[in-house]
Amino acid sequence: KQEVTQIPAALSVPEGENLVLNCSFTDSAIYNLQWFRQDPGKGLTSLLLIQSSQREQTSGRLNASLDKSSGRSTLYIAASQPGDSATYLCARRDTDKLIFGTGTRLQVFP
Amino acid sequence: EADIYQTPRYLVIGTGKKITLECSQTMGHDKMYWYQQDPGMELHLIHYSYGVNSTEKGDLSSESTVSRIRTEHFPLTLESARPSHTSQYLCASSGGLRNSYEQYFGPGTRLTVT
Repeated sequence: KQEVTQIPAALSVPEGENLVLNCSFTDSAIYNLQWFRQDPGKGLTSLLLIQSSQREQTSGRLNASLDKSSGRSTLYIAASQPGDSATYLCARRDTDKLIFGTGTRLQVFP
Repeated sequence: EADIYQTPRYLVIGTGKKITLECSQTMGHDKMYWYQQDPGMELHLIHYSYGVNSTEKGDLSSESTVSRIRTEHFPLTLESARPSHTSQYLCASSGGLRNSYEQYFGPGTRLTVT
């Protein structure tokens, strides 16, 4: 079974901290990896997509990296803000389908 | 900004009723997907479509059915709702020119069957 694991499951930090969220997957033959944000009771917002040929992608305070050989991706959030509080999901693409992790629930307090 | 819509956003319905969850996208995407998500759990793919008149079952077995008569519309139907169908249902689409595999999600429908 091609699993996607996210660590930690939950994280609570004060505002201003730099954060690293981890995502690992068992199959290194990956097409791409996508990071999402999900607010409580809402749908998913796409944050970053890293193609299998890329090492990282950046958008504002977010940076995602991909290391296929070790089966890992990390999402780096710089200077965290209370508005960053949400669940962050990573998903690896398997042909046209996404395989999701269980997410990291992030709380940033003022 | 993704233009994908789901209605209703919330639905509470009694056992045995037939329901249809609507999903529409205005991006001209050819691929569409339905995911099911229980509280605190990961998303599981239940149906997907590569285009008009194409539907496939996903990784998680579901008693629901889907149809794709128009590119922009991908409704999901439960013929007889049961409490075990209580969940959040998320629709997504992909296939834009910029990145054909990036999936965009709707806001979800939270279904409660009593």
